[in-house]
Amino acid sequence: NAGVTQTPKFQVLKTGQSMTLQCAQDMNHEYMSWYRQDPGMGLRLIHYSVGAGITDQGEVPNGYNVSRSTTEDFPLRLLSAAPSQTSVYFCASSYSVGQGVLPLHFGNGTRLTVT
Amino acid sequence: GQQVMQIPQYQHVQEGEDFTTYCNSSTTLSNIQWYKQRPGGHPVFLIQLVKSGEVKKQKRLTFQFGEAKKNSSLHITATQTTDVGTYFCAGSSQGGSEKLVFGKGTKLTVNP
Repeated sequence: NAGVTQTPKFQVLKTGQSMTLQCAQDMNHEYMSWYRQDPGMGLRLIHYSVGAGITDQGEVPNGYNVSRSTTEDFPLRLLSAAPSQTSVYFCASSYSVGQGVLPLHFGNGTRLTVT
Repeated sequence: GQQVMQIPQYQHVQEGEDFTTYCNSSTTLSNIQWYKQRPGGHPVFLIQLVKSGEVKKQKRLTFQFGEAKKNSSLHITATQTTDVGTYFCAGSSQGGSEKLVFGKGTKLTVNP
């Protein structure tokens, strides 16, 4: 079991460029989510998905798009990168949403710098 | 929207001293979870509390969930250098919320 796999580990973009952060899980988890982590700000939810074909916005969705065409994959797209999107991005998954979100399994993160 | 506040932001202790971090939610929670993140690593799940007033222990770590299900605490007895890291609480609002909102974390450093 690889768990939650994120690629790339590091990325540098210029302002205005687009890119996709990849996330894949092999645990058959229904729930997947993206967080960004900035110093002193904790982890902030960007987007989440409760199953294939279903996505919704979190706390800080602006500037990001997601899709969930399969149970395994949940890519995060930056359409036009801005310096404010410099951050560490974590993908996380769990079995389902029952009485609230169940404990999350996190990937190793993608460190993104936008210049 | 739901907010989760965590204090203190930083805590520095001598090895062997106790440590406590506190978490407060603006809404009643269905559950609260605690995670630990080592420097340079990713958050790792420690425990989940579901019931009002629940107390759980993991060796030197004691977790409590408040009676009103709006606050929680993590207490570490006799800290060790291996306890270094940032501790996060995270909660989902009652009513089947699909969002897990994290506190800003408490960064613990331990002086040997």
